[in-house]
Formats: sequence, structure tokens, C-alpha cells
Amino acid sequence: DAGVIQSPRHEVTEMGQEVTLRCKPISGHDYLFWYRQTMMRGLELLIYFNNNVPIDDSGMPEDRFSAKMPNASFSTLKIQPSEPRDSAVYFCASSPLPSGGSLEQFFGPGTRLTVL
Amino acid sequence: GENVEQHPSTLSVQEGDSAVIKCTYSDSASNYFPWYKQELGKRPQLIIDIRSNVGEKKDQRIAVTLNKTAKHFSLHITETQPEDSAVYFCAARPRGAGGYQKVTFGIGTKLQVIP
Repeated sequence: DAGVIQSPRHEVTEMGQEVTLRCKPISGHDYLFWYRQTMMRGLELLIYFNNNVPIDDSGMPEDRFSAKMPNASFSTLKIQPSEPRDSAVYFCASSPLPSGGSLEQFFGPGTRLTVL
Repeated sequence: GENVEQHPSTLSVQEGDSAVIKCTYSDSASNYFPWYKQELGKRPQLIIDIRSNVGEKKDQRIAVTLNKTAKHFSLHITETQPEDSAVYFCAARPRGAGGYQKVTFGIGTKLQVIP
């Protein structure tokens, strides 16, 4: 398996533009997570899905952020309109059902977003 | 919700020495505590985890200890090597009534192993 795939790897955009980040989880995984990483706040969970259904979106900073998972192999995180404070590395992670006591999350390579 | 505090934020050790990173959590219902390692420019990867019914777990040079009463857990790396240099994140997951619950991460500790 290729692991969790994210695109694009780098995104530079101007304030006010729409940004769409994409994620393909590991096949067979039931859970998908979106995280934001910054120096000041570390790894923050934005939202997670179970079997394509959003379970907890309490980490989504505001209405400018939205996430979808139309099927088991694809998810998007959209920011509209983008602001400079959204600049961060966004990670997607997936996880299978708990097994053997482990709840390991498998992270993608991340998307480095810069909003000018 | 769960709050995880981690310290120190940075740690420098000489190669061969031990390194200890400490975390505390707030939710007494948390029952799963993973540690992730993130090398520069790379993705976080799980290195070890422990459940609340276990007090200590070892995997070669890495060990994690858990004190449920005090609500703190620690990562111990012995005989450190330059390749151990990375940012380490602790995390805690509260026990859920059913289904999965979100994991809360600490702020991270940047470990530098000096050759």
C-alpha cells in the first residue's frame, strides 16, 4: 500500500482565495482525520470521519473551513476565503478499527499551505 | 475536553545519554497514550503506545511509563543516537462510550542528540 496520499504537497495562495486540500486514506481504514500543525499550537485535530460520516468537527476553527468525505477513498478540506493565519501544515491521517490494543494513526506527508 | 501538557519543549543530550520527556493529562477517563516521532520535514509516526491497564512498556531502547493516579506518563530513550533527533509528541485518548474518540496531542518536544 502507498500509505496515506495528500495533494498538493505545497500550496501558496493569496488571501481571499479558495484552497482545497485532498486526501486518499489507506484502503480499508475506517477513520480519517484532518490535523493542522503550527509551531504555536502543535498538532490540532480539525475533524474526523468514521465510515465517511463526520463524527467530531469541534476543532474546525470557523465557518471558513469545511470538510467532506464523499466516499471511502477520498476526502477534502476546503478553506474559503483563506487568510494568512491559516498558513500551516495540514495532515490527513487514517486508522483502521482498533486492533490488539493499538489505535495507531497513519499520517500522510502533509500539505504546507502558505497564504500571502 | 482532554488537555495534554508536555515538557520540556526542547531537550539536548549527548549521544549515549538518556532522554526523558514527560506529559500530564487532565481527563481521568483517558485510557490510551501513544507517542509519535516526527523527523524534520516528515510525517508523525507512532513509536510506542500504552494502555491504562499497563504501568510500563518497553521496546528496545524506548520505554513508556504511566502513573494513572498522578495522571502523567513519560517517554524514556536510552543510549540515544543522532537518528533519535526529532520532535516527539505525546497524546491521550479518553475512553469512549462507544466508537472512537479523538486523540489530543501535546505541544511536542524537540530532541537534539549531540554526537
